[in-house]
Amino acid sequence: QKEVEQDPGPLSVPEGAIVSLNCTYSNSAFQYFMWYRQYSRKGPELLMYTYSSGNKEDGRFTAQVDKSSKYISLFIRDSQPSDSATYLCAGSEGGKLIFGQGTELSVKP
Amino acid sequence: DAGITQSPRHKVTETGTPVTLRCHQTENHRYMYWYRQDPGHGLRLIHYSYGVKDTDKGEVSDGYSVSRSKTEDFLLTLESATSSQTSVYFCAISDFQRKYNEQFFGPGTRLTVL
Repeated sequence: QKEVEQDPGPLSVPEGAIVSLNCTYSNSAFQYFMWYRQYSRKGPELLMYTYSSGNKEDGRFTAQVDKSSKYISLFIRDSQPSDSATYLCAGSEGGKLIFGQGTELSVKP
Repeated sequence: DAGITQSPRHKVTETGTPVTLRCHQTENHRYMYWYRQDPGHGLRLIHYSYGVKDTDKGEVSDGYSVSRSKTEDFLLTLESATSSQTSVYFCAISDFQRKYNEQFFGPGTRLTVL
């Protein structure tokens, strides 16, 4: 079992939809959780991070962590075609990040 | 890409040949990482470095070696390339000033082993 599991999709939604991206993890040592966004043929870039359990909001994006169920979520409100990318979740342990497989999202105009 | 360059950006090679990928940073970050990215597996850590001449293995280190003789350069070597090492390779850097360990990624090297 991978330490971080993520549905690879692809996920296709119409512009303006609310998008929910999810991951589960098995490593109880993770304290920080990250969401990276990766456009086609580019390197990943950090979108958001959260510490332990709880919510964090940044504009149209909300990250949630539920440590009791080992569940990580990213919500995108009012999705835009420019949000079309692969989204990777990750858990942080010491000096390393453990990534999920990534979910490919397509937002159709 | 946060002052990170990777070279070459594309490479096609044959099975059994040695290959070296280079990562160069201008950020003076202490930590450097090599990942490979494959469909269905996401990003997997190959090796990382926490200082000059200080390196350690990651999740998928077999068949790979690394060297870091200067802060700014981190080399990944495939001693004898195999078709299973066909992948996209990303270098990342971190200064680890933040506990959540934000890593900045380079543009990637697309390697094909025939």
